[in-house]
Amino acid sequence: DQQVKQNSPSLSVQEGRISILNCDYTNSMFDYFLWYKKYPAEGPTFLISISSIKDKNEDGRFTVFLNKSAKHLSLHIVPSQPGDSAVYFCAASDQYGQNFVFGPGTRLSVLP
Amino acid sequence: SQTIHQWPATLVQPVGSPLSLECTVEGTSNPNLYWYRQAAGRGLQLLFYSVGIGQISSEVPQNLSASRPQDRQFILSSKKLLLSDSGFYLCAWAMSSNQPQHFGDGTRLSIL
Repeated sequence: DQQVKQNSPSLSVQEGRISILNCDYTNSMFDYFLWYKKYPAEGPTFLISISSIKDKNEDGRFTVFLNKSAKHLSLHIVPSQPGDSAVYFCAASDQYGQNFVFGPGTRLSVLP
Repeated sequence: SQTIHQWPATLVQPVGSPLSLECTVEGTSNPNLYWYRQAAGRGLQLLFYSVGIGQISSEVPQNLSASRPQDRQFILSSKKLLLSDSGFYLCAWAMSSNQPQHFGDGTRLSIL
């Protein structure tokens, strides 16, 4: 059973537009959520996180939104740049940080 | 600043051979350490994590094992590799549970 789902395997966006990456989770015990970016043949890089006491966290061009009632979070990238092209992983953990689960990833392509 | 080193970057091994992948962290003490595997076209699967020397938790039963002989050293081993062990192996560290994990560059393991 996949506890963290990213239903879009891929997404293409024009440079300068908004990229929206979605993530759904099933485990109601999750209360800390993270987004990672991964280039080929490299380890994932931490982007941004949000705890369950918030519904929005912003860092530069990246904003994460959390809807706890819907068990849904999203990552917004505005404006999108070609260098943002990568695989984006959503991850979630419980308050103890021991049940740490990654989603399958979404490949974002930003077209010039 | 903290850094994480993983080696080798690529490895080709025959079926039935042993395995030893090493990961070391610098610039921090008593980190949480993690081993993940990313199979082709799939997300990250947590294999092992450690909150201290000699403390290893296994997430997935398999023919792999992990050891933490020193505070900042994490080793992934196998006595006899299977074809299904092929994949991209990633080591990560975190200040504590429920903190962002920081990844190494990974080891691409091919089993022939």
